[in-house]
Amino acid sequence: NAGVMQNPRHLVRRRGQEARLRCSPMKGHSHVYWYRQLPEEGLKFMVYLQKENIIDESGMPKERFSAEFPKEGPSILRIQQVVRGDSAAYFCASRQGGARDGYTFGSGTRLTVV
Amino acid sequence: DAKTTQPPSMDCAEGRAANLPCNHSTISGNEYVYWYRQIHSQGPQYIIHGLKNNETNEMASLIITEDRKSSTLILPHATLRDTAVYYCIVRDYSGNTPLVFGKGTRLSVIA
Repeated sequence: NAGVMQNPRHLVRRRGQEARLRCSPMKGHSHVYWYRQLPEEGLKFMVYLQKENIIDESGMPKERFSAEFPKEGPSILRIQQVVRGDSAAYFCASRQGGARDGYTFGSGTRLTVV
Repeated sequence: DAKTTQPPSMDCAEGRAANLPCNHSTISGNEYVYWYRQIHSQGPQYIIHGLKNNETNEMASLIITEDRKSSTLILPHATLRDTAVYYCIVRDYSGNTPLVFGKGTRLSVIA
């Protein structure tokens, strides 16, 4: 079992470009969570998805950010028209489905906006 | 907002037990206590969780007080690789609410 796979590990974008971050959950896991960690700060919840549905997006910025978890394929976090303040580490986590299950996190994508 | 209070930092000598405290005085009956850690710039790692009974696994032990208002994570023989930020999190067992990370405790294991 390969664990939660995130790619790319590092992503550099110029201001105004789009960033696409991918997350493949562990096999059999149908719940995906995205977190953002700004430099020297804690992890902030962004969005919780369950196959094809957004369950909780209370932590997502209202503009430029979107997330999806299609029936087939990885979950995608999309950031349009990136700004320097979007530079951060973005972590994805998955869990199998049992409500008490712990999350398994990926290694993250480090986005740098230049 | 996080519902837990942890000391910002702690030191522990290598080979000794590391005891990390956590206060969660407002915990409700349907909430579990979870512990995660984040080793520098890596993704957080699940350690252990419990409801009211003490729990032990290959990584750590979790001691929860009888009133459930506080808990202690114990790493029985700390190594340098245990240096990390440790997060204590409470979450309801419905699974519908996401984990909310606070500031955690930065544990430094010293040789």
